[in-house]
Amino acid sequence: EIVLTQSPGTLSLSPGERATLSCRASQSVSSSYLAWYQQKPGQAPRLLIYGTSSRATGIPDRFSGSGSGTDFTLTISRLAPEDFAVYYCQQYGSSPITFGGGTKVEIK
Amino acid sequence: QVHLVQSGAEVGKPGASVKVSCRPSGYTFTDYYIHWVRQAPGQGLEWMAWINPNTGGTNYAQKFQGRVTMSTDTSISTAYMELSRLRSDDTAIYFCARGVVTHGHDYWGRGTLVTVSS
Repeated sequence: EIVLTQSPGTLSLSPGERATLSCRASQSVSSSYLAWYQQKPGQAPRLLIYGTSSRATGIPDRFSGSGSGTDFTLTISRLAPEDFAVYYCQQYGSSPITFGGGTKVEIK
Repeated sequence: QVHLVQSGAEVGKPGASVKVSCRPSGYTFTDYYIHWVRQAPGQGLEWMAWINPNTGGTNYAQKFQGRVTMSTDTSISTAYMELSRLRSDDTAIYFCARGVVTHGHDYWGRGTLVTVSS
């Protein structure tokens, strides 16, 4: 099983600032099968990024993904008020599908 | 527009079973896998299994093998997840999600709260 470790656990930032979220895998993940999701309280997760760097339909271009092998990054270039949420990485190329533990982006 | 509508909240006793449904709309039901993901209170996301509505093929996370059964009824475009031998730590929100090989899970249901309580 591929274990995904996200850091930091919590990120305290102000609107307009840049957010950099990390996802590290216990073994190599195909770049084609790494995704990021956003989840707000009381809501289902929402797909942001798939295939490491492709934005899902309707996702603003302030969200970007990068990485390869075992190290992946989600960057939010300028935080909007609606971006404060929990973010999860996921690998879906190897069974079982696994998620990271999440990074909470909170308002400073 | 794609939607996945899930059944309502359930309460089950320890040792009993619950069955949650998921009815997608806005696309051809048999064209995409359905995945189930759960989230315990205040915790992260945990993938459970997928089913291929076209073939009935399934893949379960080892943790749930023998306790979870996925099924579909293609006549009403509905997928089901049945969890048996309930334990208190099965209390969680259970989400269904559409699976795309290249995209992960692109559409999700709103979730079904399953509470295990005697």
